[in-house]
Amino acid sequence: EAQVTQNPRYLITVTGKKLTVTCSQNMNHEYMSWYRQDPGLGLRQIYYSMNVEVTDKGDVPEGYKVSRKEKRNFPLILESPSPNQTSLYFCASCGGGANEKLFFGSGTQLSVL
Amino acid sequence: QKEVEQNSGPLSVPEGAIASLNCTYSDRGSQSFFWYRQYSGKSPELIMFIYSNGDKEDGRFTAQLNKASQYVSLLIRDSQPSDSATYLCAVNKKWAGGGADGLTFGKGTHLIIQP
Repeated sequence: EAQVTQNPRYLITVTGKKLTVTCSQNMNHEYMSWYRQDPGLGLRQIYYSMNVEVTDKGDVPEGYKVSRKEKRNFPLILESPSPNQTSLYFCASCGGGANEKLFFGSGTQLSVL
Repeated sequence: QKEVEQNSGPLSVPEGAIASLNCTYSDRGSQSFFWYRQYSGKSPELIMFIYSNGDKEDGRFTAQLNKASQYVSLLIRDSQPSDSATYLCAVNKKWAGGGADGLTFGKGTHLIIQP
């Protein structure tokens, strides 16, 4: 089954404790992206990657890191989480082509205390 | 000026009626337009895309695009309670097939279909 897998689904942590949210897709997509979704602010792009070893900042990259060492994986790293990073995070991938359909993971609800 | 604007709602529509969702965008160079549906607590899923001015129909859904007025709309005919969700408008600055990195989402409209 074609899918984007994110883990964990829920995460509660404390300020300053490094964490990684994993994302993996099995569709051989070149494009992958991370979004955060907050009430009243909608979906905002954090980082994206056009291919292996190619990453770029989105609209809200501060406080986040990403890497793309393999085509299927695109982890999101929070080196020193802060409470304002409490949010719902989505990973997405896209195979390109005519409709740029984004396939979303099931989301990670992060709470930073 | 916000790039993609939607009325947040909630928009309440009786079952069986037509639900009309609207979206305006600021970048006149935008090329492709998408509607995603997001159920509460779930991830967004693509339901419609449109590139050319006019209407595009898919089952009970019709997407309408007017580039001159910079708006795109989604009509849902014969609305069902299962259509209750948040609908996200997304606009891409790039040509169709040019890549998803130019995609910007609106904040979404919360639609409620009343039985």
